[in-house]
Amino acid sequence: DAKTTQPNSMESNEEEPVHLPCNHSTISGTDYIHWYRQLPSQGPEYVIHGLTSNVNNRMASLAIAEDRKSSTLILHRATLRDAAVYYCILSGTVIYNQGGKLIFGQGTELSVKP
Amino acid sequence: DTEVTQTPKHLVMGMTNKKSLKCEQHMGHRAMYWYKQKAKKPPELMFVYSYEKLSINESVPSRFSPECPNSSLLNLHLHALQPEDSALYLCASSQVYRGRNTGELFFGEGSRLTVL
Repeated sequence: DAKTTQPNSMESNEEEPVHLPCNHSTISGTDYIHWYRQLPSQGPEYVIHGLTSNVNNRMASLAIAEDRKSSTLILHRATLRDAAVYYCILSGTVIYNQGGKLIFGQGTELSVKP
Repeated sequence: DTEVTQTPKHLVMGMTNKKSLKCEQHMGHRAMYWYKQKAKKPPELMFVYSYEKLSINESVPSRFSPECPNSSLLNLHLHALQPEDSALYLCASSQVYRGRNTGELFFGEGSRLTVL
């Protein structure tokens, strides 16, 4: 399984943008980059995923490097509710070929200061 | 309905007991998952079911026995557990379209298991 590397923790101020980095130098051509977050005392929550192009949704943006060896999750305006552990995960999507095998790494614990 | 419901929320059992954890979803998802999470650690994948068939078993000990009786329901049968098996057990589901996972897993709140 391809591995991801994330900082253990990051701090942000409320209402400022947050850039959460992830390195995945051994990513394969068919691996999607997924981001999940886990708020305290809750199950993980899907944030965003992408393959090659940058992606936007209502929660965040995902910026993927041209060589796909790194990516950045961007929260445009952090709120106190965004304090969570953010996980960057690589996985193929073909369910019959180990797709759906989302292996969580250590993640980045994001704290947001008022 | 975009929920994955797990019961019970809390379970305490002895090492000789047999118990089950239940997970239900009504989103029409055809892939379902069990994860185990210890305190301050990331979730660890245990099992993946695809179209009610076991597709991934991450070398989980046989004292954990998964079952997928239909497309909406996933059980985890527990027998002869050890205290170190105490953890939060998370269930998730995702849509599968033409053999491809959509990539968005919906997780339940988890069942917190304590083995005495």
